[in-house]
Amino acid sequence: ETGVTQSPTHLIKTRGQQVTLRCSSQSGHNTVSWYQQALGQGPQFIFQYYREEENGRGNFPPRFSGLQFPNYSSELNVNALELDDSALYLCASSLKIFKTSDTDTQYFGPGTRLTVL
Amino acid sequence: AQSVTQLDSHVSVSEGTPVLLRCNYSSSYSPSLFWYVQHPNKGLQLLLKYTSAATLVKGINGFEAEFKKSETSFHLTKPSAHMSDAAEYFCVVSDNLRIKAAGNKLTFGGGTRVLVKP
Repeated sequence: ETGVTQSPTHLIKTRGQQVTLRCSSQSGHNTVSWYQQALGQGPQFIFQYYREEENGRGNFPPRFSGLQFPNYSSELNVNALELDDSALYLCASSLKIFKTSDTDTQYFGPGTRLTVL
Repeated sequence: AQSVTQLDSHVSVSEGTPVLLRCNYSSSYSPSLFWYVQHPNKGLQLLLKYTSAATLVKGINGFEAEFKKSETSFHLTKPSAHMSDAAEYFCVVSDNLRIKAAGNKLTFGGGTRVLVKP
């Protein structure tokens, strides 16, 4: 059974640029959630995708957007990068029995470390 | 909205002694609660999960946690610390988004960094 994988592991961008982060969900999972973890803090929820549709969003601006593909892999896109976007971005996958289920366990990938200069 | 408070930002223990990490939560209904561990420069690993079954939950690596509804607590314990337990630990509540006809998000506490002394 393959776990959650993310690419790239590290990324350096400059302010104003755009970035795409990728996540492959664990085999058999249909839901992907993205989190931002700033240095020294707990992760913050960005959004969740269930069967290719956004299924909940945290308090992040519209320049944070995402996609989920038919194979349930996912992308996180961030436009107009700001210095405060520097963080570890974590992807988590889970298996939901139905859209509003809240008992699924989320399994995390190793993360992508984004540095914005 | 749900929230989680980890009462200690740092805990230092000697190898072979018990570990106690304290967590309090607020929730408007029966929550799902988790403990995750994060080793340096690594992702998050699930230690254990509570979903309204037995109140004492056993996890991996000898960890366990007890759900106490009356105290709104979910403290994590281990009888004997090992050097490999040095890491950051997060108490997490599953925040149901049902009101928006959506799924759920995880709400994390601020984390407790555990130092294990030889």
